[in-house]
Amino acid sequence: GAGVSQSPSNKVTEKGKDVELRCDPISGHTALYWYRQSLGQGLEFLIYFQGNSAPDKSGLPSDRFSAERTGGSVSTLTIQRTQQEDSAVYLCASSLRQQQYFGPGTRLTVT
Amino acid sequence: AQSVSQHNHHVILSEAASLELGCNYSYGGTVNLFWYVQYPGQHLQLLLKYFSGDPLVKGIKGFEAEFIKSKFSFNLRKPSVQWSDTAEYFCATSTAGNTGKLIFGQGTTLQVKP
Repeated sequence: GAGVSQSPSNKVTEKGKDVELRCDPISGHTALYWYRQSLGQGLEFLIYFQGNSAPDKSGLPSDRFSAERTGGSVSTLTIQRTQQEDSAVYLCASSLRQQQYFGPGTRLTVT
Repeated sequence: AQSVSQHNHHVILSEAASLELGCNYSYGGTVNLFWYVQYPGQHLQLLLKYFSGDPLVKGIKGFEAEFIKSKFSFNLRKPSVQWSDTAEYFCATSTAGNTGKLIFGQGTTLQVKP
């Protein structure tokens, strides 16, 4: 079956611009996670959505980062006023029962 | 705060050698434990997981891991590696009953020479 998909696969943006990253989870998965993979910090949790509950935003590094999940399915991670330190691979994962399935990621480069 | 340590950052082995990658976690309560693998150019895939029960867990591609509660460890092993095992390996934990968010170790790059 289809896995987690993410778009775009690569994004190059200028410092100060806003970007939106999209995640399509596996159909029927109620939980959705965003992580960031960067050279200096490894893999870091950003935000978690579960059904209609309030999201766990405890991993978001600053208020420039936000995410939403519409209709319990697709999610968008938005980074406002991008900085060079935002350059990383942004990974999305979805799960039904504790096992998370990861997408291919979006490589973000801020120039 | 919960954390995961992987002591081997870069491991180089010849084919048929045995592999053991160390993983230690810091949380004193009940944890779920995972090993993920990322092959070159591919996305993260689950190798194996431990939630409860038999502390010796078998995963895909001949990998296994042993949960030793007294040592807060979950080391990954494979008796005989292949060139195709060249990849980056991540140990991760989540605390049982919480959101399930994963805390990852820094990763170990394994290079297997043919």
